[in-house]
Amino acid sequence: AAGVIQSPRHLIKEKRETATLKCYPIPRHDTVYWYQQGPGQDPQFLISFYEKMQSDKGSIPDRFSAQQFSDYHSELNMSSLELGDSALYFCASSLLGELFFGEGSRLTVL
Amino acid sequence: AQSVTQPDIHITVSEGASLELRCNYSYGATPYLFWYVQSPGQGLQLLLKYFSGDTLVQGIKGFEAEFKRSQSSFNLRKPSVHWSDAAEYFCAVGRDDYKLSFGAGTTVTVRA
Repeated sequence: AAGVIQSPRHLIKEKRETATLKCYPIPRHDTVYWYQQGPGQDPQFLISFYEKMQSDKGSIPDRFSAQQFSDYHSELNMSSLELGDSALYFCASSLLGELFFGEGSRLTVL
Repeated sequence: AQSVTQPDIHITVSEGASLELRCNYSYGATPYLFWYVQSPGQGLQLLLKYFSGDTLVQGIKGFEAEFKRSQSSFNLRKPSVHWSDAAEYFCAVGRDDYKLSFGAGTTVTVRA
């Protein structure tokens, strides 16, 4: 069965650079969530989209923005990267109550 | 606000022994409760979930969890662990929109 696809799986950037992460939800899933998991930390909710509209916002820095496109894929844009942005970024999609997580995109900021 | 507490940071268990991971939640309404497992460098895999109904929930890989409203707990159990169960386990609570709040996680080490 199709799963949530995230790209890239690994990304290395330098401080003050910009990074874009992509998420392709399971077909027909209408909601996408982004989570950030720092080293040794639990996943923290960043932002979610339902039917291409932002539905909720968590602890997402102002330097980050995200959107969901007409084909339901979502992109997380991160600017002015800081060392503390190094983390595993998960995307999840849902339909009717269960979240399915992708394998994550690991961002390393040097 | 919802929150999840996993009191045990690290548990070591012998292969074949039983395992119980504790989870306590704080939430003002009937929660949606989840257990996820994460192997090193991997994504989150759903083990089981509780929305309503029978308070004893069966999941994948031989895991089960019991919802106890009076204790605000949702503990995860497995009767006999396998070496492949070594991983990090996260308890999570969700709201109507299924946005999840995760606990800090419990790392399980399985010794031969």
